[in-house]
Amino acid sequence: EAQVTQNPRYLITVTGKKLTVTCSQNMNHEYMSWYRQDPGLGLRQIYYSMNVEVTDKGDVPEGYKVSRKEKRNFPLILESPSPNQTSLYFCASSLLVGNQPQHFGDGTRLSIL
Amino acid sequence: AQSVTQLGSHVSVSEGALVLLRCNYSSSVPPYLFWYVQYPNQGLQLLLKYTSAATLVKGINGFEAEFKKSETSFHLTKPSAHMSDAAEYFCAVSDPGNDMRFGAGTRLTVKP
Repeated sequence: EAQVTQNPRYLITVTGKKLTVTCSQNMNHEYMSWYRQDPGLGLRQIYYSMNVEVTDKGDVPEGYKVSRKEKRNFPLILESPSPNQTSLYFCASSLLVGNQPQHFGDGTRLSIL
Repeated sequence: AQSVTQLGSHVSVSEGALVLLRCNYSSSVPPYLFWYVQYPNQGLQLLLKYTSAATLVKGINGFEAEFKKSETSFHLTKPSAHMSDAAEYFCAVSDPGNDMRFGAGTRLTVKP
């Protein structure tokens, strides 16, 4: 089954404790992206990757890191989480960027205390 | 730069009534347009997409959207709402080689 898998689905942690949210897709997609969803703001892009070893900042990259060492994986790293990063996060992938619809994971709800 | 505006953060309709969710876009080149639906505790699912073929696009669950270049609009409609249509709906725009941009979303409530 074609899917984007995120882990964990839920996480409560404390300020400053490094965390990683994993994302994996099994569709051999070139393009992967991370979004955060906040009420009234829709989805805002954090980082994206056009291909292996190629990553770029989105609209709200501050406080986040990503890596794309393999085509299927695109982890999101919060080196020193802060309460303003409490949000719902989505990983997405598509075959190419632009005219292709994106496939989304089920989301990760992060609470930073 | 491309952008999307969804008019109305909340829309409420009665079961069986017409659903109309509004989306206007801004793009300097012919856009690709998408509607996604998000049910509680789930990710976004593609409802339909416009990629420069027919201007009236039919999607899943009885939804359709019409691309109107003169109005820069891509409104989503469904003739008769069901309780199961209650969800949040996102309009998105992209163009070749560029990332997708999402609107702020419209929450649809369906009253019995």
